[in-house]
Amino acid sequence: EIVVTQSPATLSVSPGERATLSCRASQSVSRNLAWYQQKPGQAPRLLVYGASTRATGIPARFSGSGSETEFTLTISSLQSEDFAVYYCQQYDDWPSFGGGTKLDLK
Amino acid sequence: EVQLVESGGDLVQPGRSLRLSCAASGFSFRDFAMHWVRQSPGKGLEWVSGINWISGTIGYADSVKGRFTISRDNAENSLYLEMNSLRPEDTALYYCAKSRAGVWYFLDSWGQGTFVAVSS
Repeated sequence: EIVVTQSPATLSVSPGERATLSCRASQSVSRNLAWYQQKPGQAPRLLVYGASTRATGIPARFSGSGSETEFTLTISSLQSEDFAVYYCQQYDDWPSFGGGTKLDLK
Repeated sequence: EVQLVESGGDLVQPGRSLRLSCAASGFSFRDFAMHWVRQSPGKGLEWVSGINWISGTIGYADSVKGRFTISRDNAENSLYLEMNSLRPEDTALYYCAKSRAGVWYFLDSWGQGTFVAVSS
């Protein structure tokens, strides 16, 4: 089983600032990593797949990078609608999710 | 537009069984792998089970292996999760999710979930 770990658990950021979220896999997953956003009371929404490809309709301020075991999701200039919980998921094997990073308003 | 509508969630006693359903529309259901993902109250996402397009490849999380069974009916555009020997720790919102392609892929569409509560 591939264990996925996200850090930090909570990130407090002000609107307009940059946010950097990290995701680490317990073994190489190549670039088979996706990021999701979840807002309260809503289902997760796909943001990024293949480590760096934005899903349809996702704004350019969201960017993913990394490979093998280390991955990053960067939100370049936070908007009010970006405050949510973010999950990464590896799909190199049966899927597994990280524990999530909550983006909080500073 | 892809639509996934889960149903079947309920309050059940420990040790009992429950069957969840997911009705799919807006895409060619038979061409894509499907998954169940759950989320306990206030917690993160946990992958539960996945099935490929022809039911030839099936996987389960260790936490449900031997108790849950995933299946699909391509003629009815439906996904199922048979849940036996339910435990309090199975209490969660259960999402049906569509894979972009095969079972080892990302999930590009999600339903709104159906809630299962296991309690005496």
